[in-house]
Amino acid sequence: NAGVTQTPKFRVLKTGQSMTLLCAQDMNHEYMYWYRQDPGMGLRLIHYSVGEGTTAKGEVPDGYNVSRLKKQNFLLGLESAAPSQTSVYFCASSLLMMNTEAFFGQGTRLTVV
Amino acid sequence: DAKTTQPPSMDCAEGRAANLPCNHSTISGNEYVYWYRQIHSQGPQYIIHGLKNNETNEMASLIITEDRKSSTLILPHATLRDTAVYYCIVRSSGAQKLVFGQGTRLTINP
Repeated sequence: NAGVTQTPKFRVLKTGQSMTLLCAQDMNHEYMYWYRQDPGMGLRLIHYSVGEGTTAKGEVPDGYNVSRLKKQNFLLGLESAAPSQTSVYFCASSLLMMNTEAFFGQGTRLTVV
Repeated sequence: DAKTTQPPSMDCAEGRAANLPCNHSTISGNEYVYWYRQIHSQGPQYIIHGLKNNETNEMASLIITEDRKSSTLILPHATLRDTAVYYCIVRSSGAQKLVFGQGTRLTINP
């Protein structure tokens, strides 16, 4: 099993450009999450989803949109990228069942210039 | 979910036990204690979790105080590869969010 796969791994954007980050999991997990991590800081939750067709805001949702059209995929969109969105983005997934661990992807390093 | 407090950094000698504390004084009865770690810039990795009883797996041991207001993650024989940021998270069994704090940066010294 691949687990949680993030695409792309690296990207440089110009201010104002748009892009979509893809998170795919092959573990049939219901819950999926998007985080950002800035240098020297912990992970901050952007958006999350508790099932196909559902999304919810996390701690820092402004400037981002998400979609969960298929259970295995969770997309994070930046409509108009800003330098403040330069960060490493992590996706995670977990089962709906109680007390289960979350699995993380390897991250997407995004630079907005 | 209850808030957690961890020291920002710790050092430990290679081969010794690393004991990482976490304070969660406002924890409620249905909240579990989870530990994750993040090595360098990789995605976080689950280590262990528990409710009341002490837990042990192949990676670590988790000791939870009787009043559940604090816990300690123990890496019994730390290696250089255990250098990472360790996150203590308190989460209820029905929680949808998974929220991280600042964690403890553990450095294992040769």
